[in-house]
Amino acid sequence: RKEVEQDPGPFNVPEGATVAFNCTYSNSASQSFFWYRQDCRKEPKLLMSVYSSGNEDGRFTAQLNRASQYISLLIRDSKLSDSATYLCVVIRGSQGNLIFGKGTKLSVKP
Amino acid sequence: DAGVIQSPRHEVTEMGQEVTLRCKPISGHNSLFWYRQTMMRGLELLIYFNNNVPIDDSGMPEDRFSAKMPNASFSTLKIQPSEPRDSAVYFCASSGSPAAKLFFGSGTQLSVL
Repeated sequence: RKEVEQDPGPFNVPEGATVAFNCTYSNSASQSFFWYRQDCRKEPKLLMSVYSSGNEDGRFTAQLNRASQYISLLIRDSKLSDSATYLCVVIRGSQGNLIFGKGTKLSVKP
Repeated sequence: DAGVIQSPRHEVTEMGQEVTLRCKPISGHNSLFWYRQTMMRGLELLIYFNNNVPIDDSGMPEDRFSAKMPNASFSTLKIQPSEPRDSAVYFCASSGSPAAKLFFGSGTQLSVL
């Protein structure tokens, strides 16, 4: 089983739609979680951290379920500019190795 | 701040040649990561340095790959000899501490013919 798994998509949604991505991780000792965004032919950039109690940043909401070992990202009122690949990231162990999922591709259509 | 600087942006070489990728992390950052990205395998961690010391190199594919960080402002990833299956985008990233936000360079697109 891969350490971090995501549905590769693509998710094709109309503008204004709500879309949710899930990510599962295999190491129950993982402590920190993030969502990164990667545009085509660009480098990944941090979108948001994921906190135990869940957190929101504008149209974006991240949730963590430690019991089931998954994290989620919810995007409300999708914009064309949200089209990108969303990468789930888990920190392995105490050394700080960041392990990336393969990403979920989102395409928002007009 | 100029961000993480990688060079070259593109490298095309023939199988068997030596390839050296370079990275300058953000000044003051003490953690540096090398990743490789392909369509098939996604973003794979190759090696991670903290305070110039390699902490985890378990992701380095084989002995053909080596990485160094002689000082806090420079790191290299070397492939010798290169093979077509090494073709990928190689990213360098740095952070202020191991579990902090990663800042990525623009990557090096490597093509081995």
